[in-house]
Amino acid sequence: DQQVKQNSPSLSVQEGRISILNCDYTNSMFDYFLWYKKYPAEGPTFLISISSIKDKNEDGRFTVFLNKSAKHLSLHIVPSQPGDSAVYFCAAIGLSGTYKYIFGTGTRLKVLA
Amino acid sequence: EPEVTQTPSHQVTQMGQEVILRCVPISNHLYFYWYRQILGQKVEFLVSFYNNEISEKSEIFDDQFSVERPDGSNFTLKIRSTKLEDSAMYFCASVGGGTFNEKLFFGSGTQLSVL
Repeated sequence: DQQVKQNSPSLSVQEGRISILNCDYTNSMFDYFLWYKKYPAEGPTFLISISSIKDKNEDGRFTVFLNKSAKHLSLHIVPSQPGDSAVYFCAAIGLSGTYKYIFGTGTRLKVLA
Repeated sequence: EPEVTQTPSHQVTQMGQEVILRCVPISNHLYFYWYRQILGQKVEFLVSFYNNEISEKSEIFDDQFSVERPDGSNFTLKIRSTKLEDSAMYFCASVGGGTFNEKLFFGSGTQLSVL
């Protein structure tokens, strides 16, 4: 049961353009959503998060949008840079009391110079 | 920024051998996790640990797996009798646990290769 889905396994974008990474979830109890970036042979590093009481959170070049009715979130990177090339995972956690973070399958972003 | 530390970074073992992967979570964190990622696949939840006991585990975390917090700082994952399919990158993670709106901190991982 894949509760958090990232349907695009890969994405290529030209440097300077916008990268949009998408994530869908099925569990309406999820309350907090996070995006992580992962380079090969390294641990995931936190990028940005959003609480379910918001629909947008911005941090520099990174903006996360949440559409609760559609159970969809997206990460926008503007402008994209070659150093952004990595695998991006969305994650979710709910008020279930178990503190279990569920991760999506990841999207490999390649930013072309 | 505080870090989660994992050792070793690489571990090679023979099938059937026991391995112990070690982690030092961030010092004031209360929840600890092990995740794994088989090459090219998703980051999979294995187990969460709170108050010196397992709070949740996945179907992957069978009787061959165990976790321990032996001394109040280290958090270990033991695989009793490794199988070829246990080859993966294993990540330790921790979170403060004060509220639900907290980011999970990951270590840099241990690459386990079972031959």
